[in-house]
Amino acid sequence: QVQLVESGGGVVQPGRSLRLSCAASGFTFSIYGMHWVRQAPGKGLEWVALISYDGSYEYYADSVKGRFTFSRDNSKNTLYLQMNSLRAEDTARYYCAKGGAPWADYGGFDYWGQGTLVTVSS
Amino acid sequence: DIRMTQSPSSLSASVGDRVTITCRASQGIRNDLGWYQQKPGKAPKRLIYGASTLQSGVPSRFSGSGSGTEFTLTVSNLQPEDFATYYCLQHNSYPFTFGQGTKLEIK
Repeated sequence: QVQLVESGGGVVQPGRSLRLSCAASGFTFSIYGMHWVRQAPGKGLEWVALISYDGSYEYYADSVKGRFTFSRDNSKNTLYLQMNSLRAEDTARYYCAKGGAPWADYGGFDYWGQGTLVTVSS
Repeated sequence: DIRMTQSPSSLSASVGDRVTITCRASQGIRNDLGWYQQKPGKAPKRLIYGASTLQSGVPSRFSGSGSGTEFTLTVSNLQPEDFATYYCLQHNSYPFTFGQGTKLEIK
């Protein structure tokens, strides 16, 4: 069965960096685009970023563009989200999510991890 | 960016009721829409994709319809485990955008 396990969250001061990871199993990781989605405490869902199945390109939400970098290692079935210049408004639970169709960027997402909490506070 | 307007933001209903949630897109998105259910402290779970296709393992009391700019999620014969928050997601163009959510509560 599909499993996505995020890690790396924690409390960080504004302006500092953090790197999240997502370990995937139970499916052919290398043929699916993958996403990060976040949810601020008590708020709705916000799409953050996509990485293509082969890691050749990414798309980002304007709110994180230039500060976050999404990468993947298909040999390790692992995703990474490097978050720099963190702001209070980046405080959220970050979920990785599996793309809904192989080799495609537009299939939505079908499975989610349980998320990792990032708190940006001085 | 495509704006997804979801209504109502909250809804009270009883076990056995039928409820409908609507999402309107600010521009046409064909049928590139999914519905997600989220329970407190849990990750969202996909219920519907392609606007009307039931995700494997999801009870048939959930159904979706619509195309273009107007979409609905209907839950028939509400069960206690259906009380949760529901979101629509458009995946027609980037950035993907969610509706604001509908909290379904027990009356």
